[in-house]
Amino acid sequence: EVQLVESGGGLVQPGRSLRLSCAASGFTFDDYAMHWVRQAPGKGLEWVSGISWNSGSIGYADSVKGRFTISRDNAKNSLYLQMNSLRAEDTALYYCASGSLEAFDIWGQGTMVTVSS
Amino acid sequence: QSALTQPASVSGSPGQSITISCTGTSSDVGGYNYVSWYQQHPGKAPKLMIYEVSNRPSGVPDRFSGSKSGNTASLTISGLQAEDEADYYCSSYTSSIFYVFGTGTKVTVL
Repeated sequence: EVQLVESGGGLVQPGRSLRLSCAASGFTFDDYAMHWVRQAPGKGLEWVSGISWNSGSIGYADSVKGRFTISRDNAKNSLYLQMNSLRAEDTALYYCASGSLEAFDIWGQGTMVTVSS
Repeated sequence: QSALTQPASVSGSPGQSITISCTGTSSDVGGYNYVSWYQQHPGKAPKLMIYEVSNRPSGVPDRFSGSKSGNTASLTISGLQAEDEADYYCSSYTSSIFYVFGTGTKVTVL
């Protein structure tokens, strides 16, 4: 079964850090670009960051550039998002998604990040 | 990286057709044939409905169709059904590994 499972979310104070993970199974992970997409409570989808299959291309939304770092370990079929200097506006459900045909074709169920003192 | 513009809500009766627009710029929607559409039911993860402007993944009913003209893409749902009530988002490739989503449209089946 094709599956993406996110983990690592939780409650964190402003200014602190958190590392999200996404475990992939059921498909050839290193054939695909991977992305993080977030959704604040009651709001729309926001593309956060993407990484090509070989980590040769990496991109970030302006809202997280300089604070978040995306990475992947193809040997472990895993995607990561290191989030530093967290702000209240980073509170959201974070989804990992695979990128195929220049679209997001497989989605995880998300991991919730709440930034609050 | 401004969000693509979608109407906040669209409604229709069962069996009718509705169209959701997604307006961007020549740097995203108008510049590439890489517009995709996603359906999201409450509490669920988004689901890919259309990719590359007008292609349907396996399993998506053929009453969902996509098109594009200039900087505006559209999703049409023909023969609207109760289970189509959901939020819909467009997305466009912008360059390299960068993407942008639309503002989202709530579809209500009357």
